[in-house]
Amino acid sequence: DAGITQSPRHKVTETGTPVTLRCHQTENHRYMYWYRQDPGHGLRLIHYSYGVKDTDKGEVSDGYSVSRSKTEDFLLTLESATSSQTSVYFCAIRGQGATTNNEQFFGPGTRLTVL
Amino acid sequence: AQTVTQSQPEMSVQEAETVTLSCTYDTSENNYYLFWYKQPPSRQMILVIRQEAYKQQNATENRFSVNFQKAAKSFSLKISDSQLGDTAMYFCAFMKHAAQNFVFGPGTRLSVLP
Repeated sequence: DAGITQSPRHKVTETGTPVTLRCHQTENHRYMYWYRQDPGHGLRLIHYSYGVKDTDKGEVSDGYSVSRSKTEDFLLTLESATSSQTSVYFCAIRGQGATTNNEQFFGPGTRLTVL
Repeated sequence: AQTVTQSQPEMSVQEAETVTLSCTYDTSENNYYLFWYKQPPSRQMILVIRQEAYKQQNATENRFSVNFQKAAKSFSLKISDSQLGDTAMYFCAFMKHAAQNFVFGPGTRLSVLP
């Protein structure tokens, strides 16, 4: 257990509304990631962070923004949700130990439905 | 850009039998890491096994082993003595050395039948 929680775990919202998903970790990991999971695509990277206030775009970043004001929290925001953003969202951290470096550990996921 | 392919969307195996899941990847890098993740119905992503490209010896973890063929860019997962609890989606993932993120394949849904 890498101490990763996500909130909310489920959310239903309407097109055009803003949505923020939160990822919280308790072990002071430097790297944090947001992925989305869709059938036939596996997991695709949205954004990642390599430190407080340091973020970068991933493969599918359009329509998403992130913020990291504290080491433990990484927020994913959909400024104006669309139906194409209906997905399961996973947060992940990168291991920092000698044997876990270069591994990623995942949170439990958030199922988001945009109507 | 790296790509990861899993050519078997779905597979099934009888309990106690052996099954092999395939994964191929495309990269020009020489130093990288490969992973297999399991996602049971609970949705939690669980690391099954990892392989460093510079290691020639195939990784093993109990009933799980890999066949890493670097020249062929192939990384298959063998599950021996399949158990009902092995029923899950399995994702192959690639990360080049010193990179920041993984590239995942589309997944293989494995069903273990009683």
